[in-house]
Amino acid sequence: GAVVSQHPSWVICKSGTSVKIECRSLDFQATTMFWYRQFPKQSLMLMATSNEGSKATYEQGVEKDKFLINHASLTLSTLTVTSAHPEDSSFYICSARVVSGRMGFGGELFFGEGSRLTVL
Amino acid sequence: AQKITQTQPGMFVQEKEAVTLDCTYDTSDQSYGLFWYKQPSSGEMIFLIYQGSYDEQNATEGRYSLNFQKARKSANLVISASQLGDSAMYFCAMREGRKLIFGQGTELSVKP
Repeated sequence: GAVVSQHPSWVICKSGTSVKIECRSLDFQATTMFWYRQFPKQSLMLMATSNEGSKATYEQGVEKDKFLINHASLTLSTLTVTSAHPEDSSFYICSARVVSGRMGFGGELFFGEGSRLTVL
Repeated sequence: AQKITQTQPGMFVQEKEAVTLDCTYDTSDQSYGLFWYKQPSSGEMIFLIYQGSYDEQNATEGRYSLNFQKARKSANLVISASQLGDSAMYFCAMREGRKLIFGQGTELSVKP
């Protein structure tokens, strides 16, 4: 299957700093990527849909100025957590869509390994 | 409104036995897709099985099978012959447009 890579896999930062997480599709082009946030033992909550060449679509309740998403190329989407605070500590995971017809009209999603953010 | 519901926060199963993880969903769409993912402690999301709403047969992938009951809007995952490596979080998900919406998850523990 397709490969999605996230970097860094874990990061520790001080409160007030900004952190950038990268999501790359290694062997395919992804016009659409998705960013999820997950607290321990909880579900994955969709934060935003990243669209190549246009603005991201954020889910209700997600602060656009807090979580900046950029999808500048067909293989890279970045999530920047600006002015991070301890409550932003979480597991962030991205996924990329491949429209192959194998799993219905919506295609198939491939997930990155996730990035664990700890804000001190 | 909750669209994907997993009512079992935690489940235990003896090694080599079968286990069923419950999932119910809510949608007014005629065409939709249902997925199951496994998430071990490392955090990666591992795709297990997919069921399309128009698929007449229940999906199977090795030891995994999906008990799809469309009228009841349920899509339960059955794992046969459980192994210690099956211990993980399991998430049911439904495609909503281009997005994938996840249930709350079930933590499965396989006992030796």
